[in-house]
Amino acid sequence: GDSVTQMEGPVTLSEEAFLTINCTYTATGYPSLFWYVQYPGEGLQLLLKATKADDKGSNKGFEATYRKETTSFHLEKGSVQVSDSAVYFCALWSFQGGSEKLVFGKGTKLTVNP
Amino acid sequence: NAGVMQNPRHLVRRRGQEARLRCSPMKGHSHVYWYRQLPEEGLKFMVYLQKENIIDESGMPKERFSAEFPKEGPSILRIQQVVRGDSAAYFCASSPRRPGQGFTEAFFGQGTRLTVV
Repeated sequence: GDSVTQMEGPVTLSEEAFLTINCTYTATGYPSLFWYVQYPGEGLQLLLKATKADDKGSNKGFEATYRKETTSFHLEKGSVQVSDSAVYFCALWSFQGGSEKLVFGKGTKLTVNP
Repeated sequence: NAGVMQNPRHLVRRRGQEARLRCSPMKGHSHVYWYRQLPEEGLKFMVYLQKENIIDESGMPKERFSAEFPKEGPSILRIQQVVRGDSAAYFCASSPRRPGQGFTEAFFGQGTRLTVV
């Protein structure tokens, strides 16, 4: 079935460091891809999305590009802040067996120190 | 436009009791998804519902768990005879249409954190 693999955490960075969180996927066709962020004790918030190959999603300084050839959607930010500390989930819309659902990676916990 | 509302935010149940988790989707959304998040793990799909229909329950445990989304009122995830292993965060998401009918997004609630003692 469809699946998402993202880099294991936790990731600890200093403020203003560069962030990359790797995400690759396995799916039939070309699914829409998403990054969600979860702050402690909260639900998931959509961070950014891309619906087709070569699309670049961006929001709050974060970016990710839909790479069909490498089946990847890596999350990047040039300069992280303490407030970016959270768990980040890569996800895709899966269409299988007559149903649709979001399939998530396991999440990557990011801690940014001042 | 209020977001996806889940209640209660925290629920404590003794082993053997029933847990009822409620989810009110965003206004105009008729598709609801339930997910479970175990500590330090990702989100696992449980069930996908439309009004009065269960579309996909492939992620639901075969026993003790059930879900509904009636014509009126919130979606309910019901866990009967809870056990310690049911302790988790349960998240509900809603979307305005089926993803196959064009691009859509899923909006998540704040979750219900169930603790079984």
